[in-house]
Amino acid sequence: EAEVAQSPRYKITEKSQAVAFWCDPISGHATLYWYRQILGQGPELLVQFQDESVVDDSQLPKDRFSAERLKGVDSTLKIQPAELGDSAMYLCASSLAENRPQHFGDGTRLSIL
Amino acid sequence: GNSVTQMEGPVTLSEEAFLTINCTYTATGYPSLFWYVQYPGEGLQLLLKATKADDKGSNKGFEATYRKETTSFHLEKGSVQVSDSAVYFCAPNSGGGADGLTFGKGTHLIIQP
Repeated sequence: EAEVAQSPRYKITEKSQAVAFWCDPISGHATLYWYRQILGQGPELLVQFQDESVVDDSQLPKDRFSAERLKGVDSTLKIQPAELGDSAMYLCASSLAENRPQHFGDGTRLSIL
Repeated sequence: GNSVTQMEGPVTLSEEAFLTINCTYTATGYPSLFWYVQYPGEGLQLLLKATKADDKGSNKGFEATYRKETTSFHLEKGSVQVSDSAVYFCAPNSGGGADGLTFGKGTHLIIQP
């Protein structure tokens, strides 16, 4: 079982609705990442946090996506409003520090109807 | 930004065959290089890594050498097993503080008994 905890495992919602994903990294890991993996492709980085600060959100569609890590521990990724093209697996990863190996959670599979 | 080119697939081999999965990358800076594996129904797992030129990462019989001059990180295994059937991803990081991974599309490996 992955040590990075994510919930929910599955989410089905209709387009235009809001959806949120939660991630709890490995204890002590300062760096947290959110990736999106479309079926049949490799994951794509959305946002990286160092503690509570955003390090890189250049690939995050900021008109509809937001991410926060208020206390530098767990994190929430939100989509509002969801679109059909957002259907994907959303993966959270954490690492002890920059340039250290990233450990992935099992992901949240999102389906937009 | 970074980019990765790896063999797509599926790649089908017989048990005990020699495996090579090619990976080349483009990157700014001096990235660390990773191979991740995704077994059926499971999350991404780190397989091996290399952090500087000529380093060889190894794990579970798999090896890959960081070739800076050819910007390559090919994955090899001398004798594959049915249990090696999975999707393999090559991924350099950004080599700096913002060190999100850039994944290839993945190579689906099928090992037949």
